[in-house]
Amino acid sequence: GNSVTQMEGPVTLSEEAFLTINCTYTATGYPSLFWYVQYPGEGLQLLLKATKADDKGSNKGFEATYRKETTSFHLEKGSVQVSDSAVYFCALSDRNDYKLSFGAGTTVTVRA
Amino acid sequence: DAGVIQSPRHEVTEMGQEVTLRCKPISGHDYLFWYRQTMMRGLELLIYFNNNVPIDDSGMPEDRFSAKMPNASFSTLKIQPSEPRDSAVYFCASSYSKGHIPSGANVLTFGAGSRLTVL
Repeated sequence: GNSVTQMEGPVTLSEEAFLTINCTYTATGYPSLFWYVQYPGEGLQLLLKATKADDKGSNKGFEATYRKETTSFHLEKGSVQVSDSAVYFCALSDRNDYKLSFGAGTTVTVRA
Repeated sequence: DAGVIQSPRHEVTEMGQEVTLRCKPISGHDYLFWYRQTMMRGLELLIYFNNNVPIDDSGMPEDRFSAKMPNASFSTLKIQPSEPRDSAVYFCASSYSKGHIPSGANVLTFGAGSRLTVL
């Protein structure tokens, strides 16, 4: 079945540092890939997505590229801010299904 | 649109009591999902509906859990009787399928969640 594996957290960074959160997946066929973010006390919200190989999703300075050859969708941001402190979830959905499978989540804390 | 609305935001109850969580999806969305979030198990899909019909309830933990969607604008998740291990944050999410052909990029909009504590 489909599954997502994320790097374990927590991750603590200083402001303006570079952030990478690794995500690899297992799926049959060609899934769509997502990163969701959860700020404290809130529900998840979509950060970015990619629907086919070599697609790059981007939003709010975050980027992730769909790598079919390595079955990966790593999240990166070149210069983090304190406001980026949140839990980040990698997720996938099969093209013929509407449900999402989520990774365990990675807690990121950015210090001023 | 006000987004996905869940109630209550917080619920504290005693073991054995019935708990009902409510969700109002975004108007026009035809899919509705219930997820449970715990530290130990992360985000788990419990059940989801399409056009008010349950499609997959394989994630429902046991018979104590039930979910209904009587109309397009309302869904409930009920736990009866509740147990301490049911303590979690329960999220409702909705999405729009853009017709019969899967979009390949199903984006979910989540509610703020209902935090349940069973003593």
